Amino acid sequence: DAGVIQSPRHEVTEMGQEVTLRCKPISGHNSLFWYRQTMMRGLELLIYFNNNVPIDDSGMPEDRFSAKMPNASFSTLKIQPSEPRDSAVYFCASSLAGDTEAFFGQGTRLTVV
Amino acid sequence: GESVGLHLPTLSVQEGDNSIINCAYSNSASDYFIWYKQESGKGPQFIIDIRSNMDKRQGQRVTVLLNKTVKHLSLQIAATQPGDSAVYFCAENIGGAALIFGKGTTLSVSS
Repeated sequence: DAGVIQSPRHEVTEMGQEVTLRCKPISGHNSLFWYRQTMMRGLELLIYFNNNVPIDDSGMPEDRFSAKMPNASFSTLKIQPSEPRDSAVYFCASSLAGDTEAFFGQGTRLTVV
Repeated sequence: GESVGLHLPTLSVQEGDNSIINCAYSNSASDYFIWYKQESGKGPQFIIDIRSNMDKRQGQRVTVLLNKTVKHLSLQIAATQPGDSAVYFCAENIGGAALIFGKGTTLSVSS
């Protein structure tokens, strides 16, 4: 298996623009997680899904952030409108179940100018 | 709120030494713990895990110790190598929910 695949690897956008980050989890995994990593806050959980259903989105910063998982092999994290403080590395991870090892993608480095 | 934290943000060791990275957690309901290694420009990579019904688990050159009495987790790396240089995170899981990560310890190995 190729592992968790995220795209794009890097994204530079202007403030106010819409940004969509994409994730393909490992085939057969039932749980999918979106994390954000910054120097100040470390790795923060944004949202996670079980069997394509959002279970906990309490980490989503505000209404500008939304995440979807239309099927077991694809998820998106959208920021609209983007702001400079959204600049961070966004990771997607998947696991067989919530209480097992989570496998991380390479991340998307987002820069909002 | 309750969170996972680490005692030291940085640790410097000589090649060949044993390294010990510590982590304190505050939620006594946590039942699953993982250590991750993150190299620059990459996502966190699984090292070893342990469940709350155990107090020690060994892997290849790594050992995780869990002390539930004082809510303490440690990662021991034997014969540390330059390739072990990275940021190490502990993470906790409560009842099958998502992993919550600590702030990380940067391990620097000099040869």
